[in-house]
Amino acid sequence: DSGVTQTPKHLITATGQRVTLRCSPRSGDLSVYWYQQSLDQGLQFLIQYYNGEERAKGNILERFSAQQFPDLHSELNLSSLELGDSALYFCASSSGLLNTGELFFGEGSRLTVL
Amino acid sequence: GDSVTQMEGPVTLSEEAFLTINCTYTATGYPSLFWYVQYPGEGLQLLLKATKADDKGSNKGFEATYRKETTSFHLEKGSVQVSDSAVYFCALRVLNSGYSTLTFGKGTMLLVSP
Repeated sequence: DSGVTQTPKHLITATGQRVTLRCSPRSGDLSVYWYQQSLDQGLQFLIQYYNGEERAKGNILERFSAQQFPDLHSELNLSSLELGDSALYFCASSSGLLNTGELFFGEGSRLTVL
Repeated sequence: GDSVTQMEGPVTLSEEAFLTINCTYTATGYPSLFWYVQYPGEGLQLLLKATKADDKGSNKGFEATYRKETTSFHLEKGSVQVSDSAVYFCALRVLNSGYSTLTFGKGTMLLVSP
C-alpha cells in the first residue's frame, strides 16, 4: 500500500460528459502529480501541484483541469469527454519537489467513455 | 525534449532465465534514471535508481547501470521468478528551474512462466 488513495476506481460515462477524479496523497506529501496511462501513449505526465500551487504542466488538454486543496487532496476534472479519453489515470505524490525521484502512486482510476 | 525509449514487449521467459530490458534516453541536462515496476492491478512503485554516470542501482536481484556514453540504463536480473511478471517502466528526471518531473518510457511487459 503506497498510502495514495484514488477514487473512484472505475468510472463509465458517455461522450460529452464531465467527471472528477479524486486523489489523497500520502500523509505529509506536499506534491501531487497526475498521469494518464493508455495503451498507445504509455504513461503521460499531465500536471503537478505543490502545496496548492501549480508547478508543472505536461500534455494536459484544455478540456482537463486540476486543483489541489488546502488539505492537499487533489482533483482532476475532465470535461467534454471523448472516446479517446478512456484511460487509466494515476495520481502520485512525493514529499517535496521530487528531489529523490521517488513517486508514490495510487492504484489508478479507470475511465471508460462510451 | 526529454524522452525514454524501451524495448517493446511482451518479454516471455521461463523461470530462472536471464532478463534484460533495454532502455535508452535523450535528455538535455544531467538526468537521474529510474526503473519502476507495475504489478497487475496496482500502481507503479520504484524498483531502483541511479543518479549519476556509472552508478549501479540494485534491488530485489535487479540491477541497472547508468551508461552516459551510450545513454542507456538497461535492466537485468540473473534468474527471474514467476512473481516478477509485471510491467517495467524506465524513467528519467531532469531538474528544471524550480521543479522536476519524471518522464516515463512506454513500459515493457514481462511474463514469466513456471
